[in-house]
Amino acid sequence: GDSVTQMEGPVTLSEEACLTINCTYTATGYPSLFWYVQYPGEGLQLLLKATKADDKGSNKGFEATYRKETTSFHLEKGSVQVSDSAVYFCALIYNAGNMLTFGGGTRLMVKP
Amino acid sequence: ETGVTQTPRHLVMGMTNKKSLKCEQHLGHNAMYWYKQSAKKPLELMFVYNFKEQTENNSVPSRFSPECPNSSHLFLHLHTLQPEDSALYLCASSRTGTGRNTGELFFGEGSRLTVL
Repeated sequence: GDSVTQMEGPVTLSEEACLTINCTYTATGYPSLFWYVQYPGEGLQLLLKATKADDKGSNKGFEATYRKETTSFHLEKGSVQVSDSAVYFCALIYNAGNMLTFGGGTRLMVKP
Repeated sequence: ETGVTQTPRHLVMGMTNKKSLKCEQHLGHNAMYWYKQSAKKPLELMFVYNFKEQTENNSVPSRFSPECPNSSHLFLHLHTLQPEDSALYLCASSRTGTGRNTGELFFGEGSRLTVL
């Protein structure tokens, strides 16, 4: 079945460091891909998405590019802030009405 | 403020108690979901309702009983729970059209449940 694999956390960075959180997926077709973020004490919220190959999703300085050839959707940010400390979830869905499949989540801790 | 409100935010209950979690969405969405988030485990989809009809039940024990009286409200009734049921229970909603799910879910802040 479909699955999403994320790098294990926690990822600990200093403020203004570069961030990459890896996400790869296994799917039989061409899903839509998402990154959700969960800040401490809150529910998940959509961060960005991409619906077809080579699309780049971006929001709040974060970017991720849909790479069909490597079945990846890595999350990147050039300069992280303390306020980016959260858990990040990669997810996929097919456009045929299936449910979201989430990865296990990666905790990011940014130190001043 | 995501437009999805969950109450209570925190709940402590004994194994013989009966309690309910409530979720309300003000977004005009037609689909609502219950997820379970436990420490060091992936998010678990429990139930899905689409236009008030239950469309998914992922082998959830019968001690969890969902209720969706209308498209804006979702309940999770709890009875005779076990300590391993302690977790954060997240409600979400989305807009679907003719069964298609865009994948864009709006989550509440969750209800933190502790079973003693």
